Amino acid sequence: QSALTQPASASGSPGQSITISCTGTTIDVGAYKYVSWYQQQPGSAPKLLIYEVTNRPPGVSNRFSGSKSGSTASLTISGLQAEDEADYYCSSYTSSNTFVFGIGTKVTVL
Amino acid sequence: QMQLVQSGAEVKEPGSSVKVSCTASGGTFSRYGISWVRQTPGQGLEWMGGITPLSDTRNYTQKFQGRLTITADTSTAHMELSSLTSDDTAVYYCATKARGACETVSCYTMDVWGQGTSVSVSS
Repeated sequence: QSALTQPASASGSPGQSITISCTGTTIDVGAYKYVSWYQQQPGSAPKLLIYEVTNRPPGVSNRFSGSKSGSTASLTISGLQAEDEADYYCSSYTSSNTFVFGIGTKVTVL
Repeated sequence: QMQLVQSGAEVKEPGSSVKVSCTASGGTFSRYGISWVRQTPGQGLEWMGGITPLSDTRNYTQKFQGRLTITADTSTAHMELSSLTSDDTAVYYCATKARGACETVSCYTMDVWGQGTSVSVSS
């Protein structure tokens, strides 16, 4: 199972919106609604931002939103803030009854 | 609010095994799936495998088949990795669903994570 494809980096100015893509195949992202997004700050465990493509856990800012079209999922961060600077990972359930993560995207706030 | 507390850092020799524990406080695993995820230095996240204690169902990625064993009861999970090499040097995390109803795959929602356990493999 290969890692899901994400851009290595993304950036934006405070207040702007950025979108991170996560491309899989018909046996993972394209087949299931179980796509999640995580934020990881340096030295910390990942934090769940989005689950089941569009759902936010309690306490996660509504500036984070998710979507999916075919085998590509996307995370949009609206109103970019300095605290959003972190690594972002997507994950998907697969036809092998396992999960696969994306390679990660480093977000920089300019 | 459930929290996951993992065992401490380990230093192992090549060829040996390591066993990492993950204990739930403020809740139980019960019907939720527990995942083990690792992160090698400077690299991304890698899902290794998982277990649902209620059904004792395990799923491992092909990469770790044969040398990964995951066990769990309602409050503690263990991950044992054998035949260690330097490539297994990583931070190992456990993760599970914190609360609420679920069914099948949704029981593996990873919304609470342990603090991570550093495993270093070196001769």
